[in-house]
Amino acid sequence: NAGVTQTPKFQVLKTGQSMTLQCAQDMNHNSMYWYRQDPGMGLRLIYYSASEGTTDKGEVPNGYNVSRLNKREFSLRLESAAPSQTSVYFCASSEARGQNYGYTFGSGTRLTVV
Amino acid sequence: GDSVTQMEGPVTLSEEAFLTINCTYTATGYPSLFWYVQYPGEGLQLLLKATKADDKGSNKGFEATYRKETTSFHLEKGSVQVSDSAVYFCALSALGWGGSEKLVFGKGTKLTVNP
Repeated sequence: NAGVTQTPKFQVLKTGQSMTLQCAQDMNHNSMYWYRQDPGMGLRLIYYSASEGTTDKGEVPNGYNVSRLNKREFSLRLESAAPSQTSVYFCASSEARGQNYGYTFGSGTRLTVV
Repeated sequence: GDSVTQMEGPVTLSEEAFLTINCTYTATGYPSLFWYVQYPGEGLQLLLKATKADDKGSNKGFEATYRKETTSFHLEKGSVQVSDSAVYFCALSALGWGGSEKLVFGKGTKLTVNP
């Protein structure tokens, strides 16, 4: 099925460990995004990539890095995980140069840092 | 800047009750407006959208009308079902960074429907 695929679905890390969250889309979308979702906080943008080869910071980028590997893939890396990074992470994609399409979301990665 | 305000939850209804979730927005220009739904343990799914004033978006019995004069996009359903229990997010779309689409979300409203 066409859409946004995130891996892994669940992960438990110890404080200080590193990991990479993977995201891939097969809709030929230009723009991709990483959000975190915390209770009572709604969705907060971590990083985005307006097009292949570009990335930029969102609202809450500290502690994260991203790579837009190609048009399909956009990964999120935690270099040294902290308990404050316990959250549900969503990747999304959209067409560029338009306001009418909305985003397509992945099903999320539930990360716990202990 | 652009922002979306939606009614705080949680909202608890009995099956077959009428649902309204209020959403108002602040934006420069003429944004498109969206409602997303998030079922437990899942990602957000687009429920409906409207791209210009007076447009009505509809899907699965839900409706919302783009009201420019009141800057609102309230979500309604005439008769809710237990399966409608979810979190609902209102969002607006503006042309954003590097030509990408910029979605601004409300904080979400949790709906629980009891049998």
